[in-house]
Amino acid sequence: GAGVSQSPSNKVTEKGKDVELRCDPISGHTALYWYRQSLGQGLEFLIYFQGNSAPDKSGLPSDRFSAERTGGSVSTLTIQRTQQEDSAVYLCASSYGTPLSPLHFGNGTRLTVT
Amino acid sequence: AQTVTQSQPEMSVQEAETVTLSCTYDTSESDYYLFWYKQPPSRQMILVIRQEAYKQQNATENRFSVNFQKAAKSFSLKISDSQLGDAAMYFCAYKNGSARQLTFGSGTQLTVLP
Repeated sequence: GAGVSQSPSNKVTEKGKDVELRCDPISGHTALYWYRQSLGQGLEFLIYFQGNSAPDKSGLPSDRFSAERTGGSVSTLTIQRTQQEDSAVYLCASSYGTPLSPLHFGNGTRLTVT
Repeated sequence: AQTVTQSQPEMSVQEAETVTLSCTYDTSESDYYLFWYKQPPSRQMILVIRQEAYKQQNATENRFSVNFQKAAKSFSLKISDSQLGDAAMYFCAYKNGSARQLTFGSGTQLTVLP
């Protein structure tokens, strides 16, 4: 597809369960980002991948959060033992990785932890 | 750490009128980039306009323009001839020359009145 694709669009899970969120970046984009947007808030940086370099994990809020990017393309964000405070929209973005290149965002996954 | 502040949680404008959204940022860097993103109800973040800090000329994209005041660390967005489709959440964002992730403000919800 032409844009960043995220799945699922919505996810409802019970507290304590693990969830996986998927992101398909734009073909040719070397940089991939995960952001979290809580209700009425701005975007909180979670993790950044650039090519084959070690990812910047400085934004992950706890060790329950992890992400991987396979083959420099698709990325999966995993949240283990979900808590109610994890409820948010998780946005993925990709870019060419240069300073001025804009981030192209997906439509996000709305995660609700009950 | 860099911070981005949007002091107007909500703004409204009459259709065809002009509105200005405020953004200030805090940085000790000299090399950086500033962006405005729009987030309609679809959740997808869309780049509106961008500005390199070393450029004195204000960026313009059709009805959207910025007032970049580097000394004051201010980066406001002006929307001229507002249209109903401009209604969205607007986020100001900052990226320094070496970092790759964007730091976002908390957003301004713009309502366009018919």
